[in-house]
Amino acid sequence: QQQVKQSPQSLIVQKGGISIINCAYENTAFDYFPWYQQFPGKGPALLIAIRPDVSEKKEGRFTISFNKSAKQFSLHIMDSQPGDSATYFCAAKGSGYSTLTFGKGTMLLVSP
Amino acid sequence: DTGVSQDPRHKITKRGQNVTFRCDPISEHNRLYWYRQTLGQGPEFLTYFQNEAQLEKSRLLSDRFSAERPKGSFSTLEIQRTEQGDSAMYLCASSSGQENSPLHFGNGTRLTVT
Repeated sequence: QQQVKQSPQSLIVQKGGISIINCAYENTAFDYFPWYQQFPGKGPALLIAIRPDVSEKKEGRFTISFNKSAKQFSLHIMDSQPGDSATYFCAAKGSGYSTLTFGKGTMLLVSP
Repeated sequence: DTGVSQDPRHKITKRGQNVTFRCDPISEHNRLYWYRQTLGQGPEFLTYFQNEAQLEKSRLLSDRFSAERPKGSFSTLEIQRTEQGDSAMYLCASSSGQENSPLHFGNGTRLTVT
């Protein structure tokens, strides 16, 4: 079963704080793990992605941590800003699959 | 704007009516995807084209749904005999042919079936 489980469902963080969103997967054939960001009224947009041959990838304030043995990966947003308030989706894809499987999303609110 | 465009942005229809949505992908992208998103859920895959060939369809795609991509350019998604459960945001995305190339989503068509 292709599933990606995401938590928490919603998150409130103060400006300047660290936002952490977690995802877990079951299918060991998954080998590509992107995070998408979606603002209200817009389609999702790729934020950052990782492959399982590395344990961490950082792009600016956004970091993905990957734990292959635990089949878990997480998104960390450092120095969270009100402009980061959006819904974040983790996703996964295997080389044998043509499409992404998305988590249910985390609604992040960064309070000023 | 060279992004993915979808039309219409909103569609309200009565149960039992047919609706058709259009997606214009990024011009150089040969892969096109349709996803459905309901409130509080992530996008759910419906179907996928590579050029004009429809290569995969989800079990979510009932017989009332049909998608086309003539000439490998724009795509249409038609829902026949709409039901209230079809109310959702329908998202189109495109990507290049490279492995793990990012999906570029449009802003979706929000369908409300009354």
